[in-house]
Amino acid sequence: DTGVSQDPRHKITKRGQNVTFRCDPISEHNRLYWYRQTLGQGPEFLTYFQNEAQLEKSRLLSDRFSAERPKGSFSTLEIQRTEQGDSAMYLCASSSKGPASGNTIYFGEGSWLTVV
Amino acid sequence: GNSVTQMEGPVTLSEEAFLTINCTYTATGYPSLFWYVQYPGEGLQLLLKATKADDKGSNKGFEATYRKETTSFHLEKGSVQVSDSAVYFCALIISNFGNEKLTFGTGTRLTIIP
Repeated sequence: DTGVSQDPRHKITKRGQNVTFRCDPISEHNRLYWYRQTLGQGPEFLTYFQNEAQLEKSRLLSDRFSAERPKGSFSTLEIQRTEQGDSAMYLCASSSKGPASGNTIYFGEGSWLTVV
Repeated sequence: GNSVTQMEGPVTLSEEAFLTINCTYTATGYPSLFWYVQYPGEGLQLLLKATKADDKGSNKGFEATYRKETTSFHLEKGSVQVSDSAVYFCALIISNFGNEKLTFGTGTRLTIIP
């Protein structure tokens, strides 16, 4: 399978704990995106990398959230001191060109987070 | 700001019925428009797209026409199948240089019964 892969697919954690999600984009895709999807809502943009540079961050990404893409390949999204409101699906996507001209971005299956 | 409004679901249809899922948008610039589909247990997949007014996107029997005058991008299919059961998301992106952010609607869950 050469699609976008995310790990873990499901995570249950206690409030206050830290969690980390990993995303492996499609090989050679220089763009990588993180979105968050809560129940009954559409995905919301969180952040975007071009190679290893983080070029845009949403205001949704509070200081408890940090994303990295250290070598321009895989990316991690860490949430510190989790809160119940962080419960959501975290989606990763990648592309070789930006979507603004209609280029396709490819989504992974998502990582479900439940904070209890 | 930019936003997408979708027809609320869930929508339940019989096999071979005609499908319309409404989508309207507001945008501060000139958007490209997309329909994404999410099958059970899978990630979002691009279904079709249109990048300028009056363009028609089509794929797998689905169609949507970019209507600038009504700011709409309604999804249609003439004869649905059980395998079309999924959640459908309308989305837009403003075609400014360097903009990489998709704005999604809330999704419409479609169930097709045999």
